[in-house]
Amino acid sequence: KQEVTQIPAALSVPEGENLVLNCSFTDSAIYNLQWFRQDPGKGLTSLLLIQSSQREQTSGRLNASLDKSSGRSTLYIAASQPGDSATYLCAYGGSNYKLTFGKGTLLTVNP
Amino acid sequence: SQTIHQWPATLVQPVGSPLSLECTVEGTSNPNLYWYRQAAGRGLQLLFYSVGIGQISSEVPQNLSASRPQDRQFILSSKKLLLSDSGFYLCAWLTEKAFFGQGTRLTVV
Repeated sequence: KQEVTQIPAALSVPEGENLVLNCSFTDSAIYNLQWFRQDPGKGLTSLLLIQSSQREQTSGRLNASLDKSSGRSTLYIAASQPGDSATYLCAYGGSNYKLTFGKGTLLTVNP
Repeated sequence: SQTIHQWPATLVQPVGSPLSLECTVEGTSNPNLYWYRQAAGRGLQLLFYSVGIGQISSEVPQNLSASRPQDRQFILSSKKLLLSDSGFYLCAWLTEKAFFGQGTRLTVV
């Protein structure tokens, strides 16, 4: 059974700091790896999708990497802002487009 | 345009009452549809998914059921709710992109 682990569970940083969120998965037969953002009481917003043939994707201040051999992905956020405060979820994409999620990292960026 | 709708947004139901949550999508045909639940302190757990009308796969045994009566409609149901059914329920339409509904906060009292 596929398992996705996210570390740390919570992170609090001052505004302007660069930070890294970590995700690991147990099955290397991955179709894609996705990162989402969830604001309290809301649905999910897709941030970045990395296909299994890719190593990284970038969008603005966000950069995500994928290392299939080690079963790891990282989400790098540059120059963090208070508006970045949210829960960040990593999801392993398998067959039938099925997504298996980690428990998330709760990020707080303090002004 | 491609959109997904889920309702209601919040629901408070007594133990033993029935449940029906509805999800519909627009802008596509034959979508792969999913129901997830997020309980307090836990990650998103896949409950059911459907790759077509009348086709339902259950990921975990539980008090809930799902149906897909139409191509772009996916329904989550229960005949008798339990306290443990409380949580945040999300409908998803997953392709190369992921579309999520806004969620339903269900509180069973």
